[in-house]
Amino acid sequence: NAGVTQTPKFRILKIGQSMTLQCTQDMNHNYMYWYRQDPGMGLKLIYYSVGAGITDKGEVPNGYNVSRSTTEDFPLRLELAAPSQTSVYFCASSYPGTDSNQPQHFGDGTRLSIL
Amino acid sequence: GENVEQHPSTLSVQEGDSAVIKCTYSDSASNYFPWYKQELGKRPQLIIDIRSNVGEKKDQRIAVTLNKTAKHFSLHITETQPEDSAVYFCAAIEGGSYIPTFGRGTSLIVHP
Repeated sequence: NAGVTQTPKFRILKIGQSMTLQCTQDMNHNYMYWYRQDPGMGLKLIYYSVGAGITDKGEVPNGYNVSRSTTEDFPLRLELAAPSQTSVYFCASSYPGTDSNQPQHFGDGTRLSIL
Repeated sequence: GENVEQHPSTLSVQEGDSAVIKCTYSDSASNYFPWYKQELGKRPQLIIDIRSNVGEKKDQRIAVTLNKTAKHFSLHITETQPEDSAVYFCAAIEGGSYIPTFGRGTSLIVHP
């Protein structure tokens, strides 16, 4: 299994540009998440999905959109890039299991700079 | 909602010493507590976890303890090595929510 795969690994955007961060997992996990991590800080939840066709806002959703058309893919869209969105973005997935929580599996991250 | 506090924010130890990181949580419904290690420039990776029906769990040099009454759980690393240097995050998850609340992280520095 490749696990959670994120593309691209690095990207520089100009203010006002748009882009999509790709995330795919091959573990048949139901739950998928997008986090941002600013330098020296913790993880902030942007959006999450409990299954195909279902998405919900996390702690910091403004300026972002997501979709979940398949179990495997969970892309994150930035419509009008702003300098405040400069960050490292991590996608994660987990399988809820039958009767207990399960750990999250993270991708390698996308390092995004907006200038 | 759940609130997780993690201390200390920075921990500096000599190689061979023990390191302890403590987290407290607020929601008594939380029942799953994972710990993640994040090396510089890398992704967070699970190193150990504990569920509310267990008080302690060990994996070689790493152990986690849980005190449900006091609502705190701790990560213990013995015989620290330079490769243990990283940021460690604790998390708490309420049963059935599957949305973890993370602590702010502890930067562990192990000096050779």
